[in-house]
Amino acid sequence: DTAVSQTPKYLVTQMGNDKSIKCEQNLGHDTMYWYKQDSKKFLKIMFSYNNKELIINETVPNRFSPKSPDKAHLNLHINSLELGDSAVYFCASIRRGGGELFFGEGSRLTVL
Amino acid sequence: DQQVKQNSPSLSVQEGRISILNCDYTNSMFDYFLWYKKYPAEGPTFLISISSIKDKNEDGRFTVFLNKSAKHLSLHIVPSQPGDSAVYFCAALEGDDKIIFGKGTRLHILP
Repeated sequence: DTAVSQTPKYLVTQMGNDKSIKCEQNLGHDTMYWYKQDSKKFLKIMFSYNNKELIINETVPNRFSPKSPDKAHLNLHINSLELGDSAVYFCASIRRGGGELFFGEGSRLTVL
Repeated sequence: DQQVKQNSPSLSVQEGRISILNCDYTNSMFDYFLWYKKYPAEGPTFLISISSIKDKNEDGRFTVFLNKSAKHLSLHIVPSQPGDSAVYFCAALEGDDKIIFGKGTRLHILP
């Protein structure tokens, strides 16, 4: 069973569209993250949720809106997609208090 | 401004020799450090970690060294194997929740 799963794995879309990436973890973790890996391969934190509550919001455009319906899910919705949004987005989760950060396999978003 | 820096984008090492991957950080409040390994088209996977109260942690072929005064840590892999070819990310934990990554170093193990 995959610990952290993201869907879709690949997403190709036009500029201006709205799209969502879903993430689910079956580890019982309280804290989930979204990271963006850009063309320079830099893994940059975007958001963090703990038990459905937003705790970290880095300088991310308002077009990005995370939604956590329950502590096992953290979805990323992106409005009005731009070319610069093309990247691989990784979801991750961790047990509160430290330990290993488990990553999903990544969702490659290509905006044309 | 990058708080976790991996200044070598790539490194090539002969199979069987030691691979040393370096990482520098600027925030003295970091108290926990991690190394992740990433293969193409996969998410990063955890390798090894170290708390700031220690200066060394070893797990099999992997050893992480921490020099707090220099704000430097390194990952040693010995002996290096072909399957070690991957991108290695250094990361630091800020507070309870924020894990900040370096840009990664691509390690090539040569036959």
